[in-house]
Amino acid sequence: AQSVSQHNHHVILSEAASLELGCNYSYGGTVNLFWYVQYPGQHLQLLLKYFSGDPLVKGIKGFEAEFIKSKFSFNLRKPSVQWSDTAEYFCAVTLGNAGNMLTFGGGTRLMVKP
Amino acid sequence: DTGVSQNPRHKITKRGQNVTFRCDPISEHNRLYWYRQTLGQGPEFLTYFQNEAQLEKSRLLSDRFSAERPKGSFSTLEIQRTEQGDSAMYLCASSSEGRTEAFFGQGTRLTVV
Repeated sequence: AQSVSQHNHHVILSEAASLELGCNYSYGGTVNLFWYVQYPGQHLQLLLKYFSGDPLVKGIKGFEAEFIKSKFSFNLRKPSVQWSDTAEYFCAVTLGNAGNMLTFGGGTRLMVKP
Repeated sequence: DTGVSQNPRHKITKRGQNVTFRCDPISEHNRLYWYRQTLGQGPEFLTYFQNEAQLEKSRLLSDRFSAERPKGSFSTLEIQRTEQGDSAMYLCASSSEGRTEAFFGQGTRLTVV
């Protein structure tokens, strides 16, 4: 079965610092990749997704992620974080066209200090 | 507002009682998913419907759990004889067919005392 690993469980940054959150998955076939964000007290929201094509994907709020197939990675980046980016971030995958069932990583809790 | 609605938002129940949660997906979505999220973990897949057909069930879905989507619209998730280990956030999501993203509701937080 596929699995998703997020290496950083908690990250604390100051405003304007750069962010990179790691995500690795274990599955050799075609995958679709997602980053979801959960702001305090809110539902999961999609930040960005990768299905095919350009491996550098741009999402909302200045986030981007790069799919590196050889490393089974899909790391999330933002050049300059804001206090409002304080949230929990989840990497997730689905397999090919298999029903869109998501396998999530354990999440990374990001705190941005003003 | 994502358009996926879940009720109730919170449920506190005594161990051994039955509980039922409801999910109303985005109206044009034919796929509906249930996930469970415990504190400090990512959501875990429970089950998936395409229209009214339940196509996939996780091993996490013990025989005390049952889900239905009788008319291919809303769905219910019932937990019988609740246990303390059932305490979690139960999330519903919906999507259209094909390679698209899922949209999540705000979840139902279950506390079993």
